[in-house]
Amino acid sequence: EAAVTQSPRSKVAVTGGKVTLSCHQTNNHDYMYWYRQDTGHGLRLIHYSYVADSTEKGDIPDGYKASRPSQENFSLILELASLSQTAVYFCASSDRDWGTDTGQLYFGEGSKLTVL
Amino acid sequence: AQSVTQPDARVTVSEGASLQLRCKYSYSGTPYLFWYVQYPRQGLQLLLKYYSGDPVVQGVNGFEAEFSKSNSSFHLRKASVHWSDSAVYFCALSRDTGGLSGKLTFGEGTQVTVIS
Repeated sequence: EAAVTQSPRSKVAVTGGKVTLSCHQTNNHDYMYWYRQDTGHGLRLIHYSYVADSTEKGDIPDGYKASRPSQENFSLILELASLSQTAVYFCASSDRDWGTDTGQLYFGEGSKLTVL
Repeated sequence: AQSVTQPDARVTVSEGASLQLRCKYSYSGTPYLFWYVQYPRQGLQLLLKYYSGDPVVQGVNGFEAEFSKSNSSFHLRKASVHWSDSAVYFCALSRDTGGLSGKLTFGEGTQVTVIS
């Protein structure tokens, strides 16, 4: 069974503070992603990574940094948290061989971030 | 630019009744389409996906979806719902030209409530 675990599951941060959301996968997948979910909206891609030590910008990268120190771990970093970054954040992984049989995202359970 | 629209934000259906959730997409290339489900306090799980071939695809738990290129749609159906089908359902489009990847564009989601 594919496994993506996120920590923390819930966090309250202060405006201007630094927040790090962590993601660990045991799927042996090469690709990892960070998505953001706002109430009443779908998910939007923040950053993604195809290989360790390399990250790419997604659709809404402003205000976020990402780090992929190993194949298993992918972090999302908010250097200066703002009220507008209150959301639920999902990490996901997928196989490099995104074929018709294997192509899907495996999601973590989400990290709820509240910035006050 | 690509987009996915789910016109129904909320749907209430009686247990045992049929369910249809609508999804419309806008994409100039070959669409690779997905339906994901999100149960309360959980990550998203794949219900089904369409890449090519038979426009009706079968998924888990009795769900199926029908792709229509002429209507730019990918509607989800279930013949008889159970209370456990209460969840948020997301339609998504993989937008890498000529291929597939985890860079998905999601619709806004449809909250389904099954009542007895």
